[in-house]
Amino acid sequence: QVQLQESGPGLVKPSETLSLTCTVSGGSIRSSSDYWGWIRQPPGQGLEWIGFIYYSGKTYYNPSLKSRVTISIDTTKNRFSLKLNSVTAADTAVYYCARVHAFDGGNYFDYWGQGTLVTVSS
Amino acid sequence: QSVLTQPPSVSGAPGQRATISCTGSSSNIGTGYDVHWYQQLPGTAPKLLMFGNTNRPSGVPDRFSGSKSGTSASLAITGLQAEDEADYYCQSYDTSLSSWVFGGGTKLTVL
Repeated sequence: QVQLQESGPGLVKPSETLSLTCTVSGGSIRSSSDYWGWIRQPPGQGLEWIGFIYYSGKTYYNPSLKSRVTISIDTTKNRFSLKLNSVTAADTAVYYCARVHAFDGGNYFDYWGQGTLVTVSS
Repeated sequence: QSVLTQPPSVSGAPGQRATISCTGSSSNIGTGYDVHWYQQLPGTAPKLLMFGNTNRPSGVPDRFSGSKSGTSASLAITGLQAEDEADYYCQSYDTSLSSWVFGGGTKLTVL
């Protein structure tokens, strides 16, 4: 059973960089049929896709966030990371990491971490 | 405002049937991309409930079923139980936005 666990600061100051890591257990991050992604959910709101990465390093980003987002992967440690720079209060959300299964009809998120709340505030 | 439109809320009595719609357009569901569904119980992470329009992951009861037609999809839940009270989200891909997208979510209340 694949498990994902987010880690990182729960409080980030405005204009600084949000950094989170997702550690994967129970499966290899080098899977040829999977990507590894991030989704966020502002308090009381819906889900927003941020981006995902393949083990080769190829990335896909939400165009609305692309200028501020970097996702990287460390296959030796079976983990991947998110950096979101120049954050504002609008970036306050629960951030989830997830495994993204490649599917002919369109990728879907089949395993999720428990989520971590990141608050942007001075 | 999501490009996939869901009703904010639906409700039903225990044992009854509830249906949640997900309405898209010719740039997402209508292009042939599949719709996937997630269940988010209060205070927890979303869980994959349906993939590829009609397929249930292992462990999901057959009370849950999905369908897709044209630019819309639906999730049906029969024999409603109190434990089904949750938020439900549809998800697909939008070619105009070049983005994976979620519906706004539907809160299911079991009366």
